[in-house]
Amino acid sequence: DTAVSQTPKYLVTQMGNDKSIKCEQNLGHDTMYWYKQDSKKFLKIMFSYNNKELIINETVPNRFSPKSPDKAHLNLHINSLELGDSAVYFCASSQISEQETQYFGPGTRLLVL
Amino acid sequence: AQSVAQPEDQVNVAEGNPLTVKCTYSVSGNPYLFWYVQYPNRGLQFLLKYITGDNLVKGSYGFEAEFNKSQTSFHLKKPSALVSDSALYFCAVRDGRGDYKLSFGAGTTVTVRA
Repeated sequence: DTAVSQTPKYLVTQMGNDKSIKCEQNLGHDTMYWYKQDSKKFLKIMFSYNNKELIINETVPNRFSPKSPDKAHLNLHINSLELGDSAVYFCASSQISEQETQYFGPGTRLLVL
Repeated sequence: AQSVAQPEDQVNVAEGNPLTVKCTYSVSGNPYLFWYVQYPNRGLQFLLKYITGDNLVKGSYGFEAEFNKSQTSFHLKKPSALVSDSALYFCAVRDGRGDYKLSFGAGTTVTVRA
């Protein structure tokens, strides 16, 4: 029944490691997003894909690379993790129209030690 | 550029009293406005949105919001707050000129005391 799911839910890792977060949606949406929520709860868009094509790419270090194998999946790979990458990462999906609601996943809590 | 301001970091109300969470926005085109709620250690849940039409929008869990174009505001309201409404509330805006980015406010923490 889960509409937007993310794995893993928690991720604790060492600085310098590479890690991936996976996202899947079963809503039939054509657009998916990655957001970062920092320790002050501020939410910022990172990337968005529409039908496997990148349409939003905010000022994000190139250590972050999104990959969309199909329109139901959007994964986030992070190379050479840094302490400042510690945050909650949310995946969301919607139809492409500006009027459409984005639906969010439960979040992945990343802690870099 | 589009932006959202939530002027209050925290709102405290007694159960049964009216609840208002303020939001003002800035866009170049027509605004599409959204409210989300986040419970501790959870994702964001959609409450309601304004696209066009009636300025008073009704949403989930008894919440409503009023779009005011002249004041560029979209305040969230609930006539009678519940303890279970205690959460973090986000206002968000998207510019209707074809920008698909959704910009969020900084959030307002609502605490409803019994």
